[in-house]
Amino acid sequence: GAVVSQHPSRVICKSGTSVKIECRSLDFQATTMFWYRQFPKQSLMLMATSNEGSKATYEQGVEKDKFLINHASLTLSTLTVTSAHPEDSSFYICSANPTGSGANVLTFGAGSRLTVL
Amino acid sequence: AQSVTQLGSHVSVSEGALVLLRCNYSSSVPPYLFWYVQYPNQGLQLLLKYTSAATLVKGINGFEAEFKKSETSFHLTKPSAHMSDAAEYFCAVSEGDKIIFGKGTRLHILP
Repeated sequence: GAVVSQHPSRVICKSGTSVKIECRSLDFQATTMFWYRQFPKQSLMLMATSNEGSKATYEQGVEKDKFLINHASLTLSTLTVTSAHPEDSSFYICSANPTGSGANVLTFGAGSRLTVL
Repeated sequence: AQSVTQLGSHVSVSEGALVLLRCNYSSSVPPYLFWYVQYPNQGLQLLLKYTSAATLVKGINGFEAEFKKSETSFHLTKPSAHMSDAAEYFCAVSEGDKIIFGKGTRLHILP
């Protein structure tokens, strides 16, 4: 079946540094990928829609300059948390809709837990 | 805008008992509805989906859900709970090409 891989699964960084999280579709191509953020014991909040070859579409309230998204190829999207602060600590999950899987059926990555000290 | 409401942030059932997780939706158009399961520190796995075909949808791991338009509900059920069912369950609705999630229900299985 379709697999979405995220890397790293866990990252700890110092406040003020930038962190890049990769999301790869391993056995399918994805022109669109979605980035979610999940706070502890809470639901997933859609941050942005990553579009291959064009700018990402951000949800209301999400800072574009803080969360940089690049969708360089049909199998890779990256989320860079710039100048990270402790409040950016969260579980970040990406997803993609494999072609032929049906309307809006998303395959999720295993998530990346970011801890900012 | 589409939305889903999950009733009960925590549900506890005994092993072997019926599992019922409630979800109500709000949608101005016929919705696509989903149930996902999340195990600790993992991503989400699709349990089942409703896409306007049969109203009773069967999913993986013995779960099923019934779409009831009159009640705007899409409750998730399983006849007999297993310890391995302990997880967080999310009801979700599609909005265009996006998925909007409910707040989740944590299912606890009592031995």
